Amino acid sequence: ETGVTQSPTHLIKTRGQQVTLRCSSQSGHNTVSWYQQALGQGPQFIFQYYREEENGRGNFPPRFSGLQFPNYSSELNVNALELDDSALYLCASRLDSHYGYTFGSGTRLTVV
Amino acid sequence: TQLLEQSPQFLSIQEGENLTVYCNSSSVFSSLQWYRQEPGEGPVLLVTVVTGGEVKKLKRLTFQFGDARKDSSLHITAAQPGDTGLYLCAGHQEQNQAGTALIFGKGTTLSVSS
Repeated sequence: ETGVTQSPTHLIKTRGQQVTLRCSSQSGHNTVSWYQQALGQGPQFIFQYYREEENGRGNFPPRFSGLQFPNYSSELNVNALELDDSALYLCASRLDSHYGYTFGSGTRLTVV
Repeated sequence: TQLLEQSPQFLSIQEGENLTVYCNSSSVFSSLQWYRQEPGEGPVLLVTVVTGGEVKKLKRLTFQFGDARKDSSLHITAAQPGDTGLYLCAGHQEQNQAGTALIFGKGTTLSVSS
């Protein structure tokens, strides 16, 4: 197993810009979820994909969007960045038969 | 309103002490999970509890799922500095017919000093 890999690890963007964060999940992990985590807080659910289709979404605006690809990779896209979007973005995936998720180390996004 | 309430939010103790962290909700969950997260890393799964009343032990950590599957607790015996971290409870919430989302509490920040 190679775990869940996220890229980049750190990123600085300017308010109003667009950003794409990437995640590579383990083979066979059909479910991938994305979370936003503020410092010292629990992760907030953004959305979830199962076999390339979105099947759950948290309380985030439409400028947060995503894609999941057949090779178990996925993307989180954020348009029109705001200062409050600064956070750690986590990707997590799991097997169909398991409850538990494997998390990546995250991408630290700073919007200035 | 937070679906999963964790308490306490912060805990600072001495090495060797015991502690309990609580995770409560008014909703029923099909499963509850506990994760531990260190700075700069993603959460790491410690345990999943599925059956009401279930108790699981992981070395010095004891996890319990409430009978009604609405709450859970994590008890650490003889805490060590290596236990320091952010402890998160998370539960699966039904989103639609096809999907369930894993919802997290705000976490308990534990600091164990020697």
